[in-house]
Amino acid sequence: DIQMTQSPASLSASLGETVSIECLASEGISNDLAWYQQKSGKSPQLLIYAASRLQDGVPSRFSGSGSGTRYSLKISGMQPEDEADYFCQQSYKYPRTFGGGTKLELK
Amino acid sequence: EVQLVESGGGLVQPGRSLKLSCVASGFTFSNYGMNWIRQAPGKGLEWVAYISSGSSYIYYAETVKGRFTISRDNAKNTLYLQMTSLRSEDTALYYCASLRTYYYSSYIYRYFDYWGQGVMVTVSS
Repeated sequence: DIQMTQSPASLSASLGETVSIECLASEGISNDLAWYQQKSGKSPQLLIYAASRLQDGVPSRFSGSGSGTRYSLKISGMQPEDEADYFCQQSYKYPRTFGGGTKLELK
Repeated sequence: EVQLVESGGGLVQPGRSLKLSCVASGFTFSNYGMNWIRQAPGKGLEWVAYISSGSSYIYYAETVKGRFTISRDNAKNTLYLQMTSLRSEDTALYYCASLRTYYYSSYIYRYFDYWGQGVMVTVSS
């Protein structure tokens, strides 16, 4: 199985601060990576697919990048509504696997 | 508006069975692959199973293979998950999620674009 290692497990950011979350795959996944946001008590919502493509309706302060085994999600200007858990996920091989998650809090 | 509504969860004893349903609306259900994904309390996400649009392709996580069966009824816009020989470690919130594809440069990218609200399954004596 492809292991997805996400870091950090948690972080705290101030309003307007730029934050980055990293995801490391145990093997190359050809940019077949998505990022999801899960607010407390809610279902996950798609933010980014194909490593860097922004899902319709997602604010442009979210961006994704990376290649090979290393990928990242960037939030350019933390907003109160961005407080949530974030997960990366690969669709390169079965079984589909998720990163362990990053809890992002507003400082 | 796309909606995925799960049902069928509850409290069940270890070793017993349960069948989950997910009713889809707002899109052409028969055109899309579907998935079950679960989340144990306070934990991360675990993909459980996938079924293609016409049920030709089915995949399972090793943790549920041989115990869970995914199926669909396109006439009823409904996805199912039959769970047998349930264990305490199957306790989780179960989400159904639709699979979308994006074609670029001879590659097909896949991702879960819509998720239901989830249905809780608790396995305990």
